Amino acid sequence: DAGVTQSPTHLIKTRGQHVTLRCSPISGHKSVSWYQQVLGQGPQFIFQYYEKEERGRGNFPDRFSARQFPNYSSELNVNALLLGDSALYLCASSLVSYEQYFGPGTRLTVT
Amino acid sequence: KNEVEQSPQNLTAQEGEFITINCSYSVGISALHWLQQHPGGGIVSLFMLSSGKKKHGRLIATINIQEKHSSLHITASHPRDSAVYICAVGRTNKLIFGTGTLLAVQP
Repeated sequence: DAGVTQSPTHLIKTRGQHVTLRCSPISGHKSVSWYQQVLGQGPQFIFQYYEKEERGRGNFPDRFSARQFPNYSSELNVNALLLGDSALYLCASSLVSYEQYFGPGTRLTVT
Repeated sequence: KNEVEQSPQNLTAQEGEFITINCSYSVGISALHWLQQHPGGGIVSLFMLSSGKKKHGRLIATINIQEKHSSLHITASHPRDSAVYICAVGRTNKLIFGTGTLLAVQP
């Protein structure tokens, strides 16, 4: 079985732009979580989705939004990008909420 | 005070040494994860445990629920073990991460 996949691997955006990051969970997993990892820090929880509904939200501004599709894949959207949004964005899928499997991440650079 | 604390923050070892990384947490958890992250890379899950001890190759993870403490041990360390090791606790619907331990194993 394929693991969690994320796309793109890397991308560079300029301040004020919008970005969409994508995640495909492990087959059979219905929950997807998103994390932001700023360089030198541990990951921070952004969102969790289960069965297309938001089940949790971290302390992030409304510029961050996400959704989950009927096939359980997910998108993370960030509007009005700031330099501080530069980070590794990690997606994790799970069958049960506490057992999460991580994707390779998308490295976003905002210039 | 962070809900998940790791020590040490940085660790340098010689190849072949026995390594211990510690994690303490202050909240109720459903499970604890040990994760590995190579520089610039994604996160790989090493262990998930809610009690006792698990072993995989040269890696051993233990957890003491009463003391809210976990340790990750690496036996016969090798330079390829050099990475950041992160402790994360599962709480309700999310993971809370420690800040990581940067391990460098020198040949």
